[in-house]
Amino acid sequence: GQQLNQSPQSMFIQEGEDVSMNCTSSSIFNTWLWYKQDPGEGPVLLIALYKAGELTSNGRLTAQFGITRKDSFLNISASIPSDVGIYFCAGKWDGNKLVFGAGTILRVKS
Amino acid sequence: EAGVAQSPRYKIIEKRQSVAFWCNPISGHATLYWYQQILGQGPKLLIQFQNNGVVDDSQLPKDRFSAERLKGVDSTLKIQPAKLEDSAVYLCASSLDPSYEQYFGPGTRLTVT
Repeated sequence: GQQLNQSPQSMFIQEGEDVSMNCTSSSIFNTWLWYKQDPGEGPVLLIALYKAGELTSNGRLTAQFGITRKDSFLNISASIPSDVGIYFCAGKWDGNKLVFGAGTILRVKS
Repeated sequence: EAGVAQSPRYKIIEKRQSVAFWCNPISGHATLYWYQQILGQGPKLLIQFQNNGVVDDSQLPKDRFSAERLKGVDSTLKIQPAKLEDSAVYLCASSLDPSYEQYFGPGTRLTVT
């Protein structure tokens, strides 16, 4: 089945630093999604990307849909303590089926 | 607008026991999903409903897991009998239809001892 490789597995950064994480696959996806999950909660959608090469921003977050349709990255600028959580990439394939990466755990030192 | 509701939030059972989870989707959402999230992994789809019909249950372990959405609104997911490896968070999500954004509930954390 479809598999996503998400990296890094975890990050421990200083408040104010920029963060970058990415997701790769051997399969092609027609949509890439980035979610954030806080402890004890379900994932919340941050950014959705629908076209190869698309670059989309949401506040301090920027994400890109890779030109090959097999990868995506998420950048967070000027991190703050509330950015702590687990970030998941997800790819949509075969119409509307979603497959998730294993997540990147973000910890911020204040 | 109320979000996706799930209960219970936590459940501890012994192996071979049965357990049921309940989900109430966002009002008007025709599509409902159940995901299993094992610690350290992303959510994995178990079953997808469109109104009261099953669209995809290819990853549902049907020998022990069952789910229903009889009136096309609320849904229940049951495990009978539970195994140790069923310990996970069970997430319910809903969307207007399959092409729209999925909204997730807070999940039920199941521990099987």
